[in-house]
Amino acid sequence: EVQLVESGGGLVQPGGSLRLSCAASGFSFNVYAMNWVRQAPGKGLEWVSYLSSSSRTIFYADSVRGRFTISRDNAKNSLFLQMNSLRDEDTAVYYCARDVGIPYNAAFDIWGQGAMVIVSS
Amino acid sequence: QSVLTQPPSASGTPGQRVTISCSGSSSNIGSKAVNWYQQLPGTAPKLLIYTNNQRPSGVPDRFSGSKSGTSASLAISGLQSEDEADYYCAVWDDSLDGPVFGGGTKLTVL
Repeated sequence: EVQLVESGGGLVQPGGSLRLSCAASGFSFNVYAMNWVRQAPGKGLEWVSYLSSSSRTIFYADSVRGRFTISRDNAKNSLFLQMNSLRDEDTAVYYCARDVGIPYNAAFDIWGQGAMVIVSS
Repeated sequence: QSVLTQPPSASGTPGQRVTISCSGSSSNIGSKAVNWYQQLPGTAPKLLIYTNNQRPSGVPDRFSGSKSGTSASLAISGLQSEDEADYYCAVWDDSLDGPVFGGGTKLTVL
């Protein structure tokens, strides 16, 4: 079964750090670009970051650039999001999502169940 | 405030056809393919339409997408109670150098 499972969410104080992981199974992880998308409580979807299959191409949303770092380990079928200098407004469910693979598109065909991140003192 | 504008709500009765609009600009819809997502309550989003009008395997042909200029639409025919969900359009934006989502439309089946 094709699956993405996030982990690493939790409660963190403003200014703190957290690292999310996304474990992929059921498909050839190393040939797919991956994304992180978040959703604040009661709000809409917000794209966070993109990482190509080879890790050569990375994009970040302006709201997280300089604070978040996306990475992957193809040998371990895993995607990561290192989140530093966290702010209240980073509170959200974070989803990892597989990219369909069409350049300059926003088509994500497989999503994880999400990991909740709460930034609060 | 999203760069893609969707109506916050839409509604219809079972069997009806409803459409949800998504308005953008030349830097996104006007030059890039549009995708649509369905998010049922308490679940992760699901890709419903990609590249303007393509349906992934398993998506019923009741769902269709179209694009004209800087606007796009999602149409749902033969509305069913299980279609009650939030719907989002998404497209790459050349100015922002990344994907953007619409604000979402909550569909209610009366």
